[in-house]
Amino acid sequence: GAVVSQHPSWVICKSGTSVKIECRSLDFQATTMFWYRQFPKQSLMLMATSNEGSKATYEQGVEKDKFLINHASLTLSTLTVTSAHPEDSSFYICSAILAGGTDTQYFGPGTRLTVL
Amino acid sequence: DAKTTQPPSMDCAEGRAANLPCNHSTISGNEYVYWYRQIHSQGPQYIIHGLKNNETNEMASLIITEDRKSSTLILPHATLRDTAVYYCIVRVMQAGTALIFGKGTTLSVSS
Repeated sequence: GAVVSQHPSWVICKSGTSVKIECRSLDFQATTMFWYRQFPKQSLMLMATSNEGSKATYEQGVEKDKFLINHASLTLSTLTVTSAHPEDSSFYICSAILAGGTDTQYFGPGTRLTVL
Repeated sequence: DAKTTQPPSMDCAEGRAANLPCNHSTISGNEYVYWYRQIHSQGPQYIIHGLKNNETNEMASLIITEDRKSSTLILPHATLRDTAVYYCIVRVMQAGTALIFGKGTTLSVSS
């Protein structure tokens, strides 16, 4: 099956610093990738839709200047949390859709961000 | 996308079939039913999807009622590793459309 990886799997940072999370589709090309976050004991919340070569589309309430998304190639999307604060601590998960496939979304393993 | 209703939790004995229900009474004719599961602290895993016919793969079976207002995911022989949150999602199969997750059903499989 299609594999999506994320790096790092966990990260701890100080308040005010920026953190970059990478999402890669390992064995397929993905024209569209999505970023979600999940707080403890809650469901996944869609943050943004990322299309290769174009600007990301953010969900209502998600600050685009704080959560920078770049989708530079068909296999890589990055999420940068700028000036992170403790309330940004969460589980960030990406997913990708196989280009030209059945539109099934494949998810990465997630990145646990802890901001001190 | 249509809204789904799932029981918050279910229990199942190891080796028995786990039948997870989902109500989607407002589903539209072009919306598919998708099932994903999320094991603790991992990303969601695709299980199965269908439009109106019953579907089966190596992981599970999906039974959709004739009126398409509800469906059941069947794990034929549940194991401890099937303990997870199961999400039933309905959406149009359209390029670039994200899955929107509800609260799902927490399935606990015990020995």
